[in-house]
Amino acid sequence: DTAVSQTPKYLVTQMGNDKSIKCEQNLGHDTMYWYKQDSKKFLKIMFSYNNKELIINETVPNRFSPKSPDKAHLNLHINSLELGDSAVYFCASSQVSGSMNEQFFGPGTRLTVL
Amino acid sequence: GQNIDQPTEMTATEGAIVQINCTYQTSGFNGLFWYQQHAGEAPTFLSYNVLDGLEEKGRFSSFLSRSKGYSYLLLKELQMKDSASYLCAVNTNAGKSTFGDGTTLTVKP
Repeated sequence: DTAVSQTPKYLVTQMGNDKSIKCEQNLGHDTMYWYKQDSKKFLKIMFSYNNKELIINETVPNRFSPKSPDKAHLNLHINSLELGDSAVYFCASSQVSGSMNEQFFGPGTRLTVL
Repeated sequence: GQNIDQPTEMTATEGAIVQINCTYQTSGFNGLFWYQQHAGEAPTFLSYNVLDGLEEKGRFSSFLSRSKGYSYLLLKELQMKDSASYLCAVNTNAGKSTFGDGTTLTVKP
């Protein structure tokens, strides 16, 4: 069974569209994250949720809205997509936020905005 | 804020030893992780240090000095499959993990 899964794996869309990326973890973890990795491979945290509550919200445009229906899911909705949004988006989870427990990453979603 | 520095690229020979350094500046330090990321794949956990000293796990070891804001990842008996990016990540008491920009290691025959 896949521990952290994301869909879709690839997403190609036009500028101005709205899209969603879904993430699910079956590890029973309390904390989930969204990261953006750009073409230079820099991995930057965007959001973190602990038990469905938002605990970290980095300087991310408000076009990005995370939603956590339950602690096993953290979806990312992006409005009015821009060229600069093209990147790989990784979802991750850990047992407890800020603890020694490592983060488990999903396979990533490669978003290309044309 | 947090500042994490690691070399951008390193090259080493198969069978050799390589040390990847990471320096950081942060408040509320709560542990340092090393992750490995192969091209086109997700990062995977390698090691965790929260106390000063060396943690050994097979061919990989990680060292931490909190007073110096310094860590290194040591890879022994390098194999071609060790070619990857190595990411240093610092945890804080606020529950945030900040990743360095990664070191791309190329292992040559």
